[in-house]
Amino acid sequence: AQSVTQLDSHVSVSEGTPVLLRCNYSSSYSPSLFWYVQHPNKGLQLLLKYTSAATLVKGINGFEAEFKKSETSFHLTKPSAHMSDAAEYFCVVSLSGGGADGLTFGKGTHLIIQP
Amino acid sequence: SQTIHQWPATLVQPVGSPLSLECTVEGTSNPNLYWYRQAAGRGLQLLFYSVGIGQISSEVPQNLSASRPQDRQFILSSKKLLLSDSGFYLCAWSWGRNSNQPQHFGDGTRLSIL
Repeated sequence: AQSVTQLDSHVSVSEGTPVLLRCNYSSSYSPSLFWYVQHPNKGLQLLLKYTSAATLVKGINGFEAEFKKSETSFHLTKPSAHMSDAAEYFCVVSLSGGGADGLTFGKGTHLIIQP
Repeated sequence: SQTIHQWPATLVQPVGSPLSLECTVEGTSNPNLYWYRQAAGRGLQLLFYSVGIGQISSEVPQNLSASRPQDRQFILSSKKLLLSDSGFYLCAWSWGRNSNQPQHFGDGTRLSIL
């Protein structure tokens, strides 16, 4: 069985300050992990993915995430927040070798950017 | 490059009316296709997925159904909508049969049931 927990339902930061969105996962096997962003009334856009290569993954829009097996974490970071980063962020874990239904989505973190 | 289209973007329907939402993918062949529902303030719930024409797997028993009449076309239907069917419906595609591949989402359909 696998699960994913996004530790914060809401995160508020000031523009220009660092962003940290936390994600912990549980998986019996080597997982693949993804972060998606969703702007209001839009679909989900892939930010980055980890698939057992480098543990520090760089994504689009200046985001990156680090896979830490010992901590079962895959936190998303950005050095400097921009107003356009305000959105919902989803952490997703997939069971390696699993079927098409093998993705588990976190419940999302709403990122608020204060001017 | 691959693109995914969903329509309509918004839909308002009375209780008991039928539903048909369509999703098409361009630029790839034999994709995995998915329908999700996202209720307000909640995460995504996988409704159906398909690994090929005519092959539909249902994740949640309900009054919705899905069909895949062509390789890159995925349709979500209902004969009689319920109030609880309101939500944001997302179609997605991915490559291959392995869930290590990321899914790519359409822009969604906002469905309101009156």
